[in-house]
Amino acid sequence: EAGVAQSPRYKIIEKRQSVAFWCNPISGHATLYWYQQILGQGPKLLIQFQNNGVVDDSQLPKDRFSAERLKGVDSTLKIQPAKLEDSAVYLCASSPKGGSGELNTGELFFGEGSRLTVL
Amino acid sequence: AQKVTQAQTEISVVEKEDVTLDCVYETRDTTYYLFWYKQPPSGELVFLIRRNSFDEQNEISGRYSWNFQKSTSSFNFTITASQVVDSAVYFCALSDANNNDMRFGAGTRLTVKP
Repeated sequence: EAGVAQSPRYKIIEKRQSVAFWCNPISGHATLYWYQQILGQGPKLLIQFQNNGVVDDSQLPKDRFSAERLKGVDSTLKIQPAKLEDSAVYLCASSPKGGSGELNTGELFFGEGSRLTVL
Repeated sequence: AQKVTQAQTEISVVEKEDVTLDCVYETRDTTYYLFWYKQPPSGELVFLIRRNSFDEQNEISGRYSWNFQKSTSSFNFTITASQVVDSAVYFCALSDANNNDMRFGAGTRLTVKP
């Protein structure tokens, strides 16, 4: 079974530029998450989707960050304009929960992340 | 608000030593879930265990064991006879009853020296 795919793995941009990250979750997983992990810290939830609806985006800096999951499958996270403090690894995760009859193990399956450096 | 505290930033042990990673959590929910994840140098977080708030039984899986104590709001993780391959950052996490709003601790970096 293919895991969570993310691209690009690495991105270097200058402040005030824009960047977009893409995530393709495990096939059939209803829930998709974007986390920000700053060096030396734990992952911080930015946004959670259930199918193509937003469950939680309370920690998403909406003035510069946006995310979408239009067809309920893959997702894009955009930052515009980027700031120095946005330098981090952006992790995408998916889980099978959601929908009738699905076994909810609570386990999140993470991708390898996209490392962003803002200069 | 949900909060997870991992007070140990870094731990270094010699191979075959036992090591315990501490996790203390805060929540107002009566139903919640606790997790441990491992993040090896490759960067991908790997799920280790999930525990719901009504199940305080300790769990053992090979060299790994978990001690959940609601009275002290702790969910500690012990590795017995540590190995070099156990070197990683370990995260404790807490989610609500619907497995939403998962909050991670800051992580504990474990180094196991040969």
